[in-house]
Amino acid sequence: EVQLVESGGGLVQPGGSLRLSCAASGFTFSTHVMSWFRQAPGKGLEWVSVISGFGTPTFYADSVNGRFTISRDNSRNTLYLQMDTLRADDTAIYYCAKAARGDGSMRSGFDVWGQGTMVTVSS
Amino acid sequence: IQMTQSPSFLSASVGDRVTITCRASQDISSHLGWYQQKPGKAPKLLIYAASTLQSGVPSRFSGSGSGTEFTLTISSLQPEDFTTYYCQQLYGYPLTFGGGTKVEIK
Repeated sequence: EVQLVESGGGLVQPGGSLRLSCAASGFTFSTHVMSWFRQAPGKGLEWVSVISGFGTPTFYADSVNGRFTISRDNSRNTLYLQMDTLRADDTAIYYCAKAARGDGSMRSGFDVWGQGTMVTVSS
Repeated sequence: IQMTQSPSFLSASVGDRVTITCRASQDISSHLGWYQQKPGKAPKLLIYAASTLQSGVPSRFSGSGSGTEFTLTISSLQPEDFTTYYCQQLYGYPLTFGGGTKVEIK
């Protein structure tokens, strides 16, 4: 079974840091583009960052560029999101997702998502 | 690329045919996906490449369009379809979503 399981969310003060993890199983992790998305309470979906199967290139939303870093460890089938200088408007459920195609493309959308991990930034 | 989805809310009955529209601020060819999201759950990919049904998705869902205008059609609403739908452009980064359409029971 193809599965993604996020962890690492929690409550953090403004200016603090968190590292999210996404453990993948059931597919050849290294061949798929992986991405992070988020959804603030009661709001729509927002793309956060993406990483190719090899680890580069990476891309970020303007709202997190310079504060968040996406990475992956293909030997551990794990995706990461290092979040620094967190702000209140980073409060959201964070989802990792797998690109549908295993050819390095994201053009067929994201077909498997994790259950999400909640990040709350508050003093 | 900005994605404008309409309507934001839609009231319909079981068995109705409904259409949701998504407009892109620039030509994205056919690089568009549609997702369904139920409360408290992760999004589910319904359609990619504007009109290709994802494996396992019921055939009552269909997509069309290219360039800047796209539609998601549900041919006969079922009780489990009353939830929220999002379009996503897959043309380039930053990836962007429409604002969502909540389909409610009339």
